[in-house]
Amino acid sequence: EPEVTQTPSHQVTQMGQEVILRCVPISNHLYFYWYRQILGQKVEFLVSFYNNEISEKSEIFDDQFSVERPDGSNFTLKIRSTKLEDSAMYFCASKRGPTDTQYFGPGTRLTVL
Amino acid sequence: GENVEQHPSTLSVQEGDSAVIKCTYSDSASNYFPWYKQELGKRPQLIIDIRSNVGEKKDQRIAVTLNKTAKHFSLHITETQPEDSAVYFCAASINRDDKIIFGKGTRLHILP
Repeated sequence: EPEVTQTPSHQVTQMGQEVILRCVPISNHLYFYWYRQILGQKVEFLVSFYNNEISEKSEIFDDQFSVERPDGSNFTLKIRSTKLEDSAMYFCASKRGPTDTQYFGPGTRLTVL
Repeated sequence: GENVEQHPSTLSVQEGDSAVIKCTYSDSASNYFPWYKQELGKRPQLIIDIRSNVGEKKDQRIAVTLNKTAKHFSLHITETQPEDSAVYFCAASINRDDKIIFGKGTRLHILP
């Protein structure tokens, strides 16, 4: 069964550095998402992406965040200048159609030192 | 925007007994309610979902009920087993908005 994949599984970075988290959604999916989960807390929506543009973004998704679908398979989340509070698990998700289920990737644990 | 409340935050049940987790939502436009199971360090896994045109859905030992009038929905797990131990998240979504709004989660412990 196809799955969403994410790389790396764990990223450690210094505060102020840029990070790029990578996701490969399921191949016939058209809707893409990023969520984050701070340790021990709930999963929070960051951004949704469809038809090569952002559909919606949350308050968390400020100017330091950006998303891109650089080719037909990857979907990336960039954090320009990381802060300590960006430390979290970041999940990518995708779905095929507007009323379909979202499937989550395994996550990237980001640690900002 | 949508807000999802989930109770209890922690639940311990004897193996073989039933577990019930309850959630409420605030936006009457929400029409899709998935439930996710998350084991430590793993991704949220969809275990069951329900749409607003249905009041109840069952899949083996798992059932979900939805009361649209009261904006309540619940997860029922019967004949619990040790492998049911995990964190369970309820969630709500408005299809036109796309995003999933999660509850804070319930840590379910199945006691031997």
